[in-house]
Amino acid sequence: NAGVTQTPKFQVLKTGQSMTLQCAQDMNHNSMYWYRQDPGMGLRLIYYSASEGTTDKGEVPNGYNVSRLNKREFSLRLESAAPSQTSVYFCASREMGSGNTIYFGEGSWLTVV
Amino acid sequence: QKEVEQDPGPLSVPEGAIVSLNCTYSNSAFQYFMWYRQYSRKGPELLMYTYSSGNKEDGRFTAQVDKSSKYISLFIRDSQPSDSATYLCATFNAGKSTFGDGTTLTVKP
Repeated sequence: NAGVTQTPKFQVLKTGQSMTLQCAQDMNHNSMYWYRQDPGMGLRLIYYSASEGTTDKGEVPNGYNVSRLNKREFSLRLESAAPSQTSVYFCASREMGSGNTIYFGEGSWLTVV
Repeated sequence: QKEVEQDPGPLSVPEGAIVSLNCTYSNSAFQYFMWYRQYSRKGPELLMYTYSSGNKEDGRFTAQVDKSSKYISLFIRDSQPSDSATYLCATFNAGKSTFGDGTTLTVKP
């Protein structure tokens, strides 16, 4: 049981380049999330998807787009990367009930130069 | 004001010490309260959750929620070097979780 899998794990981009972070979960969860984590600022929600076919903005959506491709997959796209987007990105999915536990992926370390 | 404020730390204790990690929250509508543990260069993983006020114990860990004061605590008894990690408190409401910034704990042998 892989849980939440995200790729790539590490990426270096030049300013202005685009890229997509991929995420898939095999736990049949309806809700999925993208967070970024920066020193001193904790986990901040970028976008989330409550169910297949829906997406909503979180706390820091500017500069990002998302696609909920199907129930398993939720991708995050940076259209024109900026140095301020250097961060660690976590994909997560949520189990309904049982305290609404969120399961995180291992993280994607992105550096924009 | 952030919805969830966490004591920033870092915290360094000797092995065997009792550790207290604390958060406050602002929204009285929050009902679910969680503690996540995050090891270096890994994703957070759920440690414990509680619903509404009260205590919940799991081995050496006790989670405590006081809704009257909007205060969340995690106690670790007989702390071990393997407990060294960043601990994040979190709440859940309206389909979204809100996290504290985390407290980094180091337990020295």
